[in-house]
Amino acid sequence: KQEVTQIPAALSVPEGENLVLNCSFTDSAIYNLQWFRQDPGKGLTSLLLIQSSQREQTSGRLNASLDKSSGRSTLYIAASQPGDSATYLCAVGDYQLIWGAGTKLIIKP
Amino acid sequence: NAGVTQTPKFQVLKTGQSMTLQCAQDMNHNSMYWYRQDPGMGLRLIYYSASEGTTDKGEVPNGYNVSRLNKREFSLRLESAAPSQTSVYFCASSRRVGGQWEGASYEQYFGPGTRLTVT
Repeated sequence: KQEVTQIPAALSVPEGENLVLNCSFTDSAIYNLQWFRQDPGKGLTSLLLIQSSQREQTSGRLNASLDKSSGRSTLYIAASQPGDSATYLCAVGDYQLIWGAGTKLIIKP
Repeated sequence: NAGVTQTPKFQVLKTGQSMTLQCAQDMNHNSMYWYRQDPGMGLRLIYYSASEGTTDKGEVPNGYNVSRLNKREFSLRLESAAPSQTSVYFCASSRRVGGQWEGASYEQYFGPGTRLTVT
């Protein structure tokens, strides 16, 4: 059974730092991996989707990589800003997603 | 463009009461989903609908029923609410990015959630 883990559960860094969020999964035979952002009291917003044939995707200051052989994905955030504070979740699958519990990120001004 | 809308935003029920959570999307997506999110856990799929007229169980379907009323609307019903159903419920719809049904890429769009408390 596929399991998705995100460590750490919470992370606090000063503004301006580059940072990496981690996502690991147990079954390397995944179809796709997605990163989402969740703001308090709100729904989730899709950030990046990496298809199984891809190794990375980029959007602005965000870069997500996928290494299926090691069962890992990373979300790199460059030049972090207070507005990046949110919970970041990763999920693997196709039409059915298996979710990690998320990493709560706090960017200190 | 409203995207995915959910009603109500908040609800308090007593054990044994019933209610229906409503969800609608205006993006012409075929697939729709109901999730629950509990503290410290990832989202768990309750039911999904691949297309109008079809519904399937997800990971945690017990105690819930769904109706795909039309392409736009997908409702979730709790027939007899229990305290274990206290959670935040999210509705989502998805568009296929590429590939066939199994193994394809589906980008999901979420509603704002319904916070349900069962006492």
